[in-house]
Amino acid sequence: GQQVMQIPQYQHVQEGEDFTTYCNSSTTLSNIQWYKQRPGGHPVFLIQLVKSGEVKKQKRLTFQFGEAKKNSSLHITATQTTDVGTYFCATNAGKSTFGDGTTLTVKP
Amino acid sequence: GAVVSQHPSWVICKSGTSVKIECRSLDFQATTMFWYRQFPKQSLMLMATSNEGSKATYEQGVEKDKFLINHASLTLSTLTVTSAHPEDSSFYICSAGPSNLANEQFFGPGTRLTVL
Repeated sequence: GQQVMQIPQYQHVQEGEDFTTYCNSSTTLSNIQWYKQRPGGHPVFLIQLVKSGEVKKQKRLTFQFGEAKKNSSLHITATQTTDVGTYFCATNAGKSTFGDGTTLTVKP
Repeated sequence: GAVVSQHPSWVICKSGTSVKIECRSLDFQATTMFWYRQFPKQSLMLMATSNEGSKATYEQGVEKDKFLINHASLTLSTLTVTSAHPEDSSFYICSAGPSNLANEQFFGPGTRLTVL
């Protein structure tokens, strides 16, 4: 089945710095979803990308889907302490497959 | 967005007992629900796909006799951990999505199971 790899596993930034997490697959993905899980919470859907080269923005968050549909990225501009949590990418081809996640910590 | 509830939110049980976890879609019908397990600081691992009115589809390595899934209605799926042991202690999360929101999954709040 489809598998997605995520890097980095952990990222610690100073508040105000940017943050990027990457999701890669060896196979072409039909779609990619991004979720955020706060400590102690459950995953919350952020966005879905389906088109090659697609770029979507949500305030300080920018999501990209690669031209070959084998990779995706989530970029946060000027991080805030409220951005802390683990960000997962996932792909769905009848069932969801999640990456290992990138845990972001932000130092005030 | 759609709402998915889970009950109980946490449970502590003795080794050898069975524990039932409920997953409900509150404002939409779900013919398919997913059950995940998440160990501390790890990703979500899909255990099985729950199909309304038919047998669940289990992922490789997940014992169907150990983790019984019942999806008797369009709004309720249950996961029963039978004869639980300490290694079954984990965070169990279900998800479901309305048919009009392709591929978007809404997660329940999760159930933290601790087996003593």
